[in-house]
Amino acid sequence: DTGVSQDPRHKITKRGQNVTFRCDPISEHNRLYWYRQTLGQGPEFLTYFQNEAQLEKSRLLSDRFSAERPKGSFSTLEIQRTEQGDSAMYLCASSPSAGVNTEAFFGQGTRLTVV
Amino acid sequence: AQKITQTQPGMFVQEKEAVTLDCTYDTSDQSYGLFWYKQPSSGEMIFLIYQGSYDEQNATEGRYSLNFQKARKSANLVISASQLGDSAMYFCAMRRPSGGYNKLIFGAGTRLAVHP
Repeated sequence: DTGVSQDPRHKITKRGQNVTFRCDPISEHNRLYWYRQTLGQGPEFLTYFQNEAQLEKSRLLSDRFSAERPKGSFSTLEIQRTEQGDSAMYLCASSPSAGVNTEAFFGQGTRLTVV
Repeated sequence: AQKITQTQPGMFVQEKEAVTLDCTYDTSDQSYGLFWYKQPSSGEMIFLIYQGSYDEQNATEGRYSLNFQKARKSANLVISASQLGDSAMYFCAMRRPSGGYNKLIFGAGTRLAVHP
């Protein structure tokens, strides 16, 4: 499978716990994105990496959220002290750097439920 | 501020018929890109079609075509010859010219149901 891979697919956690999600992009893609999708809404941009550099962060990414891409390959998204409002689908996407009209390829997402 | 509006929360269509999903956008940028993605129940966002703001012709990809009316700021998706597998959520999205990377602004989506 050469698509974007996300792990885990589902996560249930108690409020106040920390969670970490992993994303493996398409291997030749140096751009990686995280989006959040709440029920009944379209995805919202969270952050963007070019190689290992985090170049943009949305205001949605509060201090409790941190994303890394240490070697420019896979990425992790950590949420500390989870709250019920963090319950959502977290989508990872990747794209190549060349070309203006290249689309982003999305993974199947990690669905987080905070109880 | 950039915004995508999809006014149809749900649509249904008979198998083999054509259907149009509406999308309007708001931007002050001259250069931008418009995308349509399909999201089946599995959750993955599947790219369908792209239209650049300077493209003079409407984009087409197989059974998908994009009816781009720049002056009206609309980018409607037309699916011809609907199939049962087309049942899914459909999202319209816009990319700003922020260095060319895919910071996408999505609409709320339209749920399409294809009936046999």
